[in-house]
Amino acid sequence: ETGVTQTPRHLVMGMTNKKSLKCEQHLGHNAMYWYKQSAKKPLELMFVYSLEERVENNSVPSRFSPECPNSSHLFLHLHTLQPEDSALYLCASSPTGGKLFFGSGTQLSVL
Amino acid sequence: GENVEQHPSTLSVQEGDSAVIKCTYSDSASNYFPWYKQELGKRPQLIIDIRSNVGEKKDQRIAVTLNKTAKHFSLHITETQPEDSAVYFCAATFLRQLTFGSGTQLTVLP
Repeated sequence: ETGVTQTPRHLVMGMTNKKSLKCEQHLGHNAMYWYKQSAKKPLELMFVYSLEERVENNSVPSRFSPECPNSSHLFLHLHTLQPEDSALYLCASSPTGGKLFFGSGTQLSVL
Repeated sequence: GENVEQHPSTLSVQEGDSAVIKCTYSDSASNYFPWYKQELGKRPQLIIDIRSNVGEKKDQRIAVTLNKTAKHFSLHITETQPEDSAVYFCAATFLRQLTFGSGTQLTVLP
């Protein structure tokens, strides 16, 4: 265990559903991240929250909406996703400028 | 922004041989270069990292070298073992944002 916990581990949803992914860290880190991992592609940074300030990747569609209520919790709200959004979604945390610690990920399938 | 190229995409070696994975980066301001190992169905885990003020770092069978002038860095695994089989990702970072390479699937053949 790295101290970064993600739920759920697996999620199947229809294109009209609304769901949320949750991430929690108790490592005292002040930055949290969402990454998307698709087959045969690099890990793609979606969002960064550093000291609760959001830094966005402008290529992320608006159907993905992050929320960071405090430095220990991070959510990714999903709405009207497309089949191509099926992927492994990884949460990570780090101290400022430090090493990334990843969660186990949520394997998302959009039908 | 930063762009990281990683080669090869797949690599097979005999147990006991060495493996080398290479990455290049585009942003000369990048100053931190970690390597992650991801076993099948598991999370990426940091195995070694290097900062831009150092040219080489070693941890048992794993070493990383950095050439800032050429903007490339490499992972070296010696005396490979079957448990080294995994996908390896390089990354480069500047101002907290990591950009990852596309990964190398390493297979160590017994």
